[in-house]
Amino acid sequence: DQQVKQNSPSLSVQEGRISILNCDYTNSMFDYFLWYKKYPAEGPTFLISISSIKDKNEDGRFTVFLNKSAKHLSLHIVPSQPGDSAVYFCAARAKARQLTFGSGTQLTVLP
Amino acid sequence: KAGVTQTPRYLIKTRGQQVTLSCSPISGHRSVSWYQQTPGQGLQFLFEYFSETQRNKGNFPGRFSGRQFSNSRSEMNVSTLELGDSALYLCASSSTAQRDTGELFFGEGSRLTVL
Repeated sequence: DQQVKQNSPSLSVQEGRISILNCDYTNSMFDYFLWYKKYPAEGPTFLISISSIKDKNEDGRFTVFLNKSAKHLSLHIVPSQPGDSAVYFCAARAKARQLTFGSGTQLTVLP
Repeated sequence: KAGVTQTPRYLIKTRGQQVTLSCSPISGHRSVSWYQQTPGQGLQFLFEYFSETQRNKGNFPGRFSGRQFSNSRSEMNVSTLELGDSALYLCASSSTAQRDTGELFFGEGSRLTVL
């Protein structure tokens, strides 16, 4: 049973435009949601997070939106840059439990 | 500050063999988690250790085991290897505060190929 789902395996965006990556979850006990970025031959790196008591968190070009009623999470990257090309993993955590990851979305930013 | 170090980075084994992977967390981090990454499956949780105690365990068979030492270093072992065990094994560490928010620091992984 996949509790965190990323339904788009890949996304291509033109440089300078907005990238929107989506994530759906089923477990209403999740209290933190995170996005990780992974380059080939490297481990995932933390990008941005949001607590379940908030609906938006912003960090520079990256904004995460949380819609609890829809159990939906999205990551917006504006403007997109070629260096943003990577696999993005959505993750969620229930209190005192491990992180549960989605299957990832390969973002390609075209110059 | 040194990051999470995993050894070996690459290894090839044959079916039926066993393998031990090692992870040195960031200095001061007492929580270590292990994940398996396979194409299309994302990161599947294996187990988490904190102060030498296993705190959480994922849905993997008993062939997968781990431990943590008093210096927070961790090892995971897979016995009787199967072809399906071929994957990237990722170790991550976190401080107590970071663990509460789910922020993990990952190593570069150990890529296991089973022939």
